[in-house]
Amino acid sequence: SQQGEEDPQALSIQEGENATMNCSYKTSINNLQWYRQNSGRGLVHLILIRSNEREKHSGRLRVTLDTSKKSSSLLITASRAADTASYFCATDRNSKLTFGKGITLSVRP
Amino acid sequence: GAVVSQHPSWVICKSGTSVKIECRSLDFQATTMFWYRQFPKQSLMLMATSNEGSKATYEQGVEKDKFLINHASLTLSTLTVTSAHPEDSSFYICSVSRPGRDYSPLHFGNGTRLTVT
Repeated sequence: SQQGEEDPQALSIQEGENATMNCSYKTSINNLQWYRQNSGRGLVHLILIRSNEREKHSGRLRVTLDTSKKSSSLLITASRAADTASYFCATDRNSKLTFGKGITLSVRP
Repeated sequence: GAVVSQHPSWVICKSGTSVKIECRSLDFQATTMFWYRQFPKQSLMLMATSNEGSKATYEQGVEKDKFLINHASLTLSTLTVTSAHPEDSSFYICSVSRPGRDYSPLHFGNGTRLTVT
C-alpha cells in the first residue's frame, strides 16, 4: 500500500529559484529518504533523515521531518536545469521502503 | 562508480516467452536484494525481497510462479518473467542495501524496460 504522498505532483520553476517538495505519510517510520530519478533510469539516493532528526543538509539540499505531522519537505536551493527529474520520498519502516508517487520537477534554463 | 549493475537495460519479447533480468551488486556482497516494478509516471512498487540462499519473499498480489527470483550468490539476483504477457510490460528495477549498516539507503540498478508484444 502507498505510504508516502508527495505534493505538488509537478513543479516548474526558473533556474536559480528554490524548489520545495513535500511528502506526507501515514504510519510510524524508522527514517525517511528522498530519491531522484532521471527519466528511464534507476533511482539515486539523495538524503536520509532519521525519525529522531528534524532537519538535515547536504549541499544544496535541505530536508525537514515533522513526525508529529507525519510530513517531510525537500528544499533544493539555487536550482539548476540539471535538477530536472522526478523526486520520490520513501518511508522506511522495519527496513522496508515504501515510495510515494513522486514529484516531477522541471527547471527552466 | 556504479554500485549495482542491471542487465539488460531494455528487452522486447513476444507474448508467451520468458525473460530473465540480472542484478549484480558490484561493490559489496548483498545478502538481500529488492525487486521493484514501476509503471509510467507511477511510483515504485516492491515486488519481492530476494534473499541469498533462500526463497524470495513476495509482496501481496505478486505471483511467485510468474516472477521467479533466484539469488544464488551474494552478488547476483535474477528475476525471470515467465510466460510474459503485454500487461507485464513495465520498468523493473532492482536495488541492494549495504549490509551491516543501520538505516542504509538503497542502491538502485538502472532498470530494465520490458516490452511484451
